[in-house]
Amino acid sequence: QKEVEQDPGPLSVPEGAIVSLNCTYSNSAFQYFMWYRQYSRKGPELLMYTYSSGNKEDGRFTAQVDKSSKYISLFIRDSQPSDSATYLCAMSGTDKLIFGTGTRLQVFP
Amino acid sequence: ETGVTQTPRHLVMGMTNKKSLKCEQHLGHNAMYWYKQSAKKPLELMFVYSLEERVENNSVPSRFSPECPNSSHLFLHLHTLQPEDSALYLCASSQEGHVDYEQYFGPGTRLTVT
Repeated sequence: QKEVEQDPGPLSVPEGAIVSLNCTYSNSAFQYFMWYRQYSRKGPELLMYTYSSGNKEDGRFTAQVDKSSKYISLFIRDSQPSDSATYLCAMSGTDKLIFGTGTRLQVFP
Repeated sequence: ETGVTQTPRHLVMGMTNKKSLKCEQHLGHNAMYWYKQSAKKPLELMFVYSLEERVENNSVPSRFSPECPNSSHLFLHLHTLQPEDSALYLCASSQEGHVDYEQYFGPGTRLTVT
């Protein structure tokens, strides 16, 4: 079983849609949870960071962590074509970051 | 220059060549990382340097050799690579002791081994 599972997509949605991206994990020691966004031909950039369980909101983006279910989500409201990218979840306990495979998102006008 | 820079951005090399990838961070961080990114696979951590000392070597073949001369520069020396080593090689940096999982990535070097 992989430590972190993420659906690779691609996920294609119309502009203005609400997007839900998800990861599941198996290691109950994980307590730091991150979402990175990677545009084509670029390196990943940190989008959201959450410690332990709960929600965090930043503009159109909301990150949720449910440690009891070992499930994390990233919601994008009012999605824009500029949100088209690959979204990688990443998580850690006290050691190195473990990444998901990434979900490719395409928002069409 | 800002953030994390990597050179070259693209590299094509034969299996008998020797080349080096370079990474430079302008963020004042004290930890640097090399990752390998292959299609449909998670990012694979290769090496970690903290305060210029190697603290992680993730069972990487010896044909990959890292070097960290100071906290701002990181190299990955390559020799006698295999075609399966073709991938995007990403450098990242972070600040140990802070939220050091906030890693900042460079744009990567796209490596093709022929």
